[in-house]
Amino acid sequence: QVQLQQWGAGLLKPSETLSLTCAVYGGSFSDYYWSWIRQPPGKGLEWIGEINHSGSINYNPSLKSRVTVSVDTSKNQFSLNLSSVTAADTAVYYCARREHCSTTTCYPFDSWGQGTLVTVSS
Amino acid sequence: EIVMTQSPATLSVSPGKRATLSCRASQSVSSNLAWYQQKPGQAPRLLIYGASTRATGIPARFSGSGSGTEFTLTINSLQSEDFAVYYCQQYNNWPPWTFGQGTKVEIK
Repeated sequence: QVQLQQWGAGLLKPSETLSLTCAVYGGSFSDYYWSWIRQPPGKGLEWIGEINHSGSINYNPSLKSRVTVSVDTSKNQFSLNLSSVTAADTAVYYCARREHCSTTTCYPFDSWGQGTLVTVSS
Repeated sequence: EIVMTQSPATLSVSPGKRATLSCRASQSVSSNLAWYQQKPGQAPRLLIYGASTRATGIPARFSGSGSGTEFTLTINSLQSEDFAVYYCQQYNNWPPWTFGQGTKVEIK
C-alpha cells in the first residue's frame, strides 16, 4: 500500500519561493509519474506539473515559467518549487501519482498525499 | 487545453435516493475520464476511471458512463458518507491534465 507524505513551509510572503517535498513509501517509484496539484480555498483542482524517476518532466503551461519539479530517486522523493508567489498561489498543495501511459491509454491519479496548506500573505 | 464542465454546481438529494452528476469535455477525451470524491479536509479519492470502471474498494452504488464529451456519475441509494464534492478529470490530452470545477452533493 503506497503512502505519500508531504511537507513544506506553510506561510510565505509575496515574491518568495514555495518549496514542498513528497516522500513515497511502499510500491514502485519507477512505474509512475509523480505530480503536484493544487486547490485554492473553496475552489477546484489545478494540475501543476509532474516528473518520473528518470527526470522526465511535464508542466502546466499556465505555470511553467515559475515551476520547477525535481526528483531524488535515492530517497523516493520529489519536490516542487514555485517562484515569485502571490496571494493567488494560496492553496492546498497535493502530491499524487499516476501510472505511466501505455501505448493505448493514460491513467488517472490513484494515490494522493495529505495536502499542505500554503498561504501567501504580507 | 481541454475544459471540463460539471453540472450542476450543487445537487440536493435525500439519503437513499439517486444522484446523477454530469461532466462535459470541450473536445473528445475518448473514455479517458475519471471521477474523484473529496470530503472536507481530505485529499480527493479516485472513484471511477476509464469512464466506467470502479477503482479498488469503491462500492457498486457508484457507476460511471459516457464517452467522447459527455459523461455521467450515478450514485444509487445515497449513504451519509457519500455527501461530498465530486470532480471529473480528463487524462486523454496533456499537458495539462484538467479537472472540472466540481459538483457538491448535499443532503436535502
